[in-house]
Amino acid sequence: EIVMTQSPVTLSVSPGERATLSCRASQSVSSNLAWYQQKPGQAPRLLIYGASTRATGVPARFSGSGSGTEFTLTISSLQSEDFALYYCQQYNSWWTFGQGTKVEIK
Amino acid sequence: QVQLQESGPGLVKPSETLSLTCTVSGGSIDTYYWNWIRQSPGKGLEWIGYIFHSGSSNYNPSLKSRVTISVDTSKNQFSLKLTSVTPADTAVYYCAREGLRSGYFDIWGQGTVVTVSS
Repeated sequence: EIVMTQSPVTLSVSPGERATLSCRASQSVSSNLAWYQQKPGQAPRLLIYGASTRATGVPARFSGSGSGTEFTLTISSLQSEDFALYYCQQYNSWWTFGQGTKVEIK
Repeated sequence: QVQLQESGPGLVKPSETLSLTCTVSGGSIDTYYWNWIRQSPGKGLEWIGYIFHSGSSNYNPSLKSRVTISVDTSKNQFSLKLTSVTPADTAVYYCAREGLRSGYFDIWGQGTVVTVSS
């Protein structure tokens, strides 16, 4: 099983600042990586797939990068609605998720 | 737009079978892969399995011996059965759509809480 490790566990950021979230795979997943956002009481929402392609309706302030084992989700200027949990998911070999990064207001 | 809705008992006794149904509205169940995913504080997000409209399915190896996913195209529904449940199966259960072999999940149901307890 491919293990996905996200860091940091919690990221404290002020509104308007940039947030950088990391996701590492225990072995190469090529570009078969997605990012999701989850708010309390809601299902995850697809943000990014193919490591860098934004899903339909996702604002341009969200961007993804990386390939192989190292991936990054960047939120260029945090808005109030962006404070949430973020998960990465690989789909290169079966399907596994990271444990999540909580982006909280500083 | 396509929407998914989970339904089923919120409480299941240990050793019994958990049964959930996902109803697809706003679109056909054909063409896509339909998945079950669960989320618990202890194990995070865990993929359970998928089914295609043809009936072809695949399951997480760690759950394979206890899981069955079926589809009813006439009702635009697919279902999950998980046998011999224990408290470790307590979780929020989501149904989700996966594009044709895309690997990622673009539409999710709201989720349903299932508690395993006597």
